[in-house]
Amino acid sequence: NAGVTQTPKFQVLKTGQSMTLQCAQDMNHNSMYWYRQDPGMGLRLIYYSASEGTTDKGEVPNGYNVSRLNKREFSLRLESAAPSQTSVYFCASNEGIRETQYFGPGTRLLVL
Amino acid sequence: GNSVTQMEGPVTLSEEAFLTINCTYTATGYPSLFWYVQYPGEGLQLLLKATKADDKGSNKGFEATYRKETTSFHLEKGSVQVSDSAVYFCALTTGGFKTIFGAGTRLFVKA
Repeated sequence: NAGVTQTPKFQVLKTGQSMTLQCAQDMNHNSMYWYRQDPGMGLRLIYYSASEGTTDKGEVPNGYNVSRLNKREFSLRLESAAPSQTSVYFCASNEGIRETQYFGPGTRLLVL
Repeated sequence: GNSVTQMEGPVTLSEEAFLTINCTYTATGYPSLFWYVQYPGEGLQLLLKATKADDKGSNKGFEATYRKETTSFHLEKGSVQVSDSAVYFCALTTGGFKTIFGAGTRLFVKA
């Protein structure tokens, strides 16, 4: 099993450009998550999808949108990138409340 | 609100030394507690977890005990190896879909 996969691995954007980060899981998990990781701040939740067809805001949703395309796929979109969005982005999935989360390898994003 | 505090790093140890990484939490209700590990260039992966007070999670020689009276979940290993060099995250969830992560503690183990 591939687990959780993310594309791209690395991306450089200019301020104001848009892009979509893709995430897919093959574990038949109900819930999926997007986090950003910044030095000294741990992981912060951007958005999550408790189940197919639902999405909810996390701790830092401003500047992002998400789409739960189907049970497998959960994408994160930056409509107009800003330097403050330079970060490493992780997608994760799990079966539901209190369950272990499984993480993808991350996307490193640099916004100039 | 809920929060997790873990000791600042980096922690530098020699091989075969004893490891403790402190983690304390603030939470309403009865949280589940986790330790995740992140190796260089990878995503986080579960190291161990505990779901109720006095439970001990263990894996790969690492242990942590859920102490409700001291709101702690300290990570320990009796003899670290170079391959244990990584960043360790303490985390909690209280029954919703949101997991709260600590800031992470970087461990370096020297041969």
